[in-house]
Amino acid sequence: QQPVQSPQAVILREGEDAVINCSSSKALYSVHWYRQKHGEAPVFLMILLKGGEQKGHEKISASFNEKKQQSSLYLTASQLSYSGTYFCGTGQDNYGQNFVFGPGTRLSVLP
Amino acid sequence: GAVVSQHPSRVICKSGTSVKIECRSLDFQATTMFWYRQFPKKSLMLMATSNEGSKATYEQGVEKDKFLINHASLTLSTLTVTSAHPEDSSFYICSARTGGNEKLFFGSGTQLSVL
Repeated sequence: QQPVQSPQAVILREGEDAVINCSSSKALYSVHWYRQKHGEAPVFLMILLKGGEQKGHEKISASFNEKKQQSSLYLTASQLSYSGTYFCGTGQDNYGQNFVFGPGTRLSVLP
Repeated sequence: GAVVSQHPSRVICKSGTSVKIECRSLDFQATTMFWYRQFPKKSLMLMATSNEGSKATYEQGVEKDKFLINHASLTLSTLTVTSAHPEDSSFYICSARTGGNEKLFFGSGTQLSVL
């Protein structure tokens, strides 16, 4: 079952922060985050596994709350290059079975 | 980093013809490859999952006789859209991974336009 993402779209000014949420009605083992720019392939950002992980990559970090079956992606001091559509993907077991992407959150960073 | 090559990037064909799209993992062995279809401003819709040497597993609603998937080796999977019709026009994208919860590496996608 497809996870839910919120918000659907967000517009920021350069330097502002954003949070994108991903939640599922099913128990999750893993959450992936990818960013896709228009006309391009999605690019991997990070994976979080069961166990309440938090990860960071420069100014982009994420948390995974397995009890709440949700993950959040944090973008701080956003840059123009952060613009794109962010997808979360969720997996339900250690084998990566039933992996499905959310509908995406369209992020626009304006100068 | 790992690279997945997808060809062609764009194809225009007449209705009724078949189109083959290739997806290759260039520097790693992909135990599993996935094929997605994406409509403008929409999410990646999984069509099928293929493991090397075995039949692809299709998602509900995807016609396996229309979208033929072959995963002949650990580095190559192909998607053939048979007897294409205008409603098959879409962006098709493949991805590959080395293991269960490993990250996905995506091909650059194929824009199919059926006239």
